[in-house]
Amino acid sequence: QSALTQPPSASGSPGQSVTISCIGTSSDIGGYNFVSWYQQHPGKVPKVMIYEVSQRPSGVPDRFFGSKSGNTASLTVSGLQAEDEADYYCSSYADNNNLVFGGGTKVTVL
Amino acid sequence: QLQLQESGPGLVKPSETLSLTCTVSGVSISSSNYYWGWIRQPPGKGLEWIGSIFYSGNNYSKPSHPSLKSRVTISVDTSKNQFSLRLNSVTAADTAVFYCAGVRRFADYVSSWGQGTLVTVSS
Repeated sequence: QSALTQPPSASGSPGQSVTISCIGTSSDIGGYNFVSWYQQHPGKVPKVMIYEVSQRPSGVPDRFFGSKSGNTASLTVSGLQAEDEADYYCSSYADNNNLVFGGGTKVTVL
Repeated sequence: QLQLQESGPGLVKPSETLSLTCTVSGVSISSSNYYWGWIRQPPGKGLEWIGSIFYSGNNYSKPSHPSLKSRVTISVDTSKNQFSLRLNSVTAADTAVFYCAGVRRFADYVSSWGQGTLVTVSS
């Protein structure tokens, strides 16, 4: 099972939007609606921001939006804030209670 | 509230076996709502799924790298509300922060993470 493909970096100015792509295959993203996104600040534990493609856990701002088309999932962060600067990882269910992660995208708020 | 805590040696010699235990609290490890996983993160790198186990013992260890799959064993001890990871024949490339995780079943996302433990492979 290969890792999902994410761009290594993305950036935007405060108030702008940034979209991160996550490319998989029909065996993971394309086969299941179980895509999740995690935010990780330096030295911290990852935190789930989106699950089941577009669901936000309680407490996650609605500035975070997830979507999926075919084998590609996306995370859009609108109204960028300084606190959004972090690494973001996508994940998908693969099979047999296994997940696969993307390589991570570093989001910089300019 | 589900909480997880990793424990185990922080230093392992090359060619030896890395052993970590995750203690689950706040939820029974026998809950049908979760399966239990291990994830690692080498210094400065991304997250890597190692494998998972359900309380019944079904082991679906399927790491991303084939070389990892043959070296991984995951087990569960329901009497102690714990699950464990063994990774044998370690090399310096196995140096990482290891996280144990509670994966929400039927939604398949990590809802709870342990704090992570750094394991260094060095002589």
